[in-house]
Amino acid sequence: NAGVTQTPKFRVLKTGQSMTLLCAQDMNHEYMYWYRQDPGMGLRLIHYSVGEGTTAKGEVPDGYNVSRLKKQNFLLGLESAAPSQTSVYFCASAGVGRENGFFGPGTRLTVL
Amino acid sequence: AQSVTQLGSHVSVSEGALVLLRCNYSSSVPPYLFWYVQYPNQGLQLLLKYTTGATLVKGINGFEAEFKKSETSFHLTKPSAHMSDAAEYFCAVSDQAGTALIFGKGTTLSVSS
Repeated sequence: NAGVTQTPKFRVLKTGQSMTLLCAQDMNHEYMYWYRQDPGMGLRLIHYSVGEGTTAKGEVPDGYNVSRLKKQNFLLGLESAAPSQTSVYFCASAGVGRENGFFGPGTRLTVL
Repeated sequence: AQSVTQLGSHVSVSEGALVLLRCNYSSSVPPYLFWYVQYPNQGLQLLLKYTTGATLVKGINGFEAEFKKSETSFHLTKPSAHMSDAAEYFCAVSDQAGTALIFGKGTTLSVSS
């Protein structure tokens, strides 16, 4: 049981490049979330999903897209990366009770 | 809308001293409340949570928190700090039909010998 895994762990992009971050969970959780963490800002919700095939915007969705084609995977896409998207990205999943999220180890993204 | 305020972005204590990290929340419905800890370059680890029932919640590593509805607070305490407690701590809130956790901005705890 690996819990929540994120791929990749580190990435450096140039402005304008695109990339996809993968989050996978093996707990059969319905709910999945993408957060970004910036110094002094805590964690802010980017997008979330309440089930396979569904997605919704969080607090800071601009510049990101997501997809939940399979229940166990939640993808976060950056179509045209900007330096403001330099951050640490965390994925989380939660079961039916949605009491709390199980967090992945994070992806550190730098956009030059 | 829910929100979380963590008072003090940085708290410093001596080893063996009381740790008190403050968290106040705003919620229009009975909240679920959480404390997470993050060690440098690591992910978030759940320390403890309050959902319903007993208002004094005990967590891992000797931490506990008390839900005080009248004060809208969920402060985190530990009687005696250890050097290994140095980390960043996040308070979070969600509602019973919530879509996600709402996090505070975090408090960095430093422990000196």
